[in-house]
Amino acid sequence: DAKTTQPTSMDCAEGRAANLPCNHSTISGNEYVYWYRQIHSQGPQYIIHGLKNNETNEMASLIITEDRKSSTLILPHATLRDTAVYYCIVRLPGSSNTGKLIFGQGTTLQVKP
Amino acid sequence: DAGITQSPRHKVTETGTPVTLRCHQTENHRYMYWYRQDPGHGLRLIHYSYGVKDTDKGEVSDGYSVSRSKTEDFLLTLESATSSQTSVYFCASTAGQGRLGATEAFFGQGTRLTVV
Repeated sequence: DAKTTQPTSMDCAEGRAANLPCNHSTISGNEYVYWYRQIHSQGPQYIIHGLKNNETNEMASLIITEDRKSSTLILPHATLRDTAVYYCIVRLPGSSNTGKLIFGQGTTLQVKP
Repeated sequence: DAGITQSPRHKVTETGTPVTLRCHQTENHRYMYWYRQDPGHGLRLIHYSYGVKDTDKGEVSDGYSVSRSKTEDFLLTLESATSSQTSVYFCASTAGQGRLGATEAFFGQGTRLTVV
């Protein structure tokens, strides 16, 4: 599985958009980009995933560059409850025994009033 | 949320004793994972399973073994617990190859293990 690089921490003002970057320069053609977050010491929570097209759901948007070497998770209107560690992961779809899910260090997002 | 539960949620054990943690999912997911999380570290993969009786090592597998005799259960065993294995353990499951080609993983709430 490709490795990812994320900034260690970021701040965002409440109500503003939070843009979390992720580099995955060694991603292969059929690896998906996933985003999860972990609030306090709870189990990680799925946010969104994509292959090469931009994706949006009720939680966030995922922007993947054309060369797929990086992506950005966008929380359009960050709230205090969005304060968490955000993990970017790349992973094969899991049709074989290569479906490992490897987490990096993640980005600690602090949303401030 | 997917039905994935861990047991026990908290455990204190003595050094040198064997310990088994259980992860149970009701979603018929193919893939299951065990992670540990320590202060200053993210989630580190211990072992994972890609089917019944099919398991493989993760990043930090030394001192741990796993078994998967049924789709719904994935057991993590600390063969002889050490203080360095004091941690919070998370399990996860995912269907893997879904209708859309990729599916998300669902996580349990964690087991806090203390080895004294």
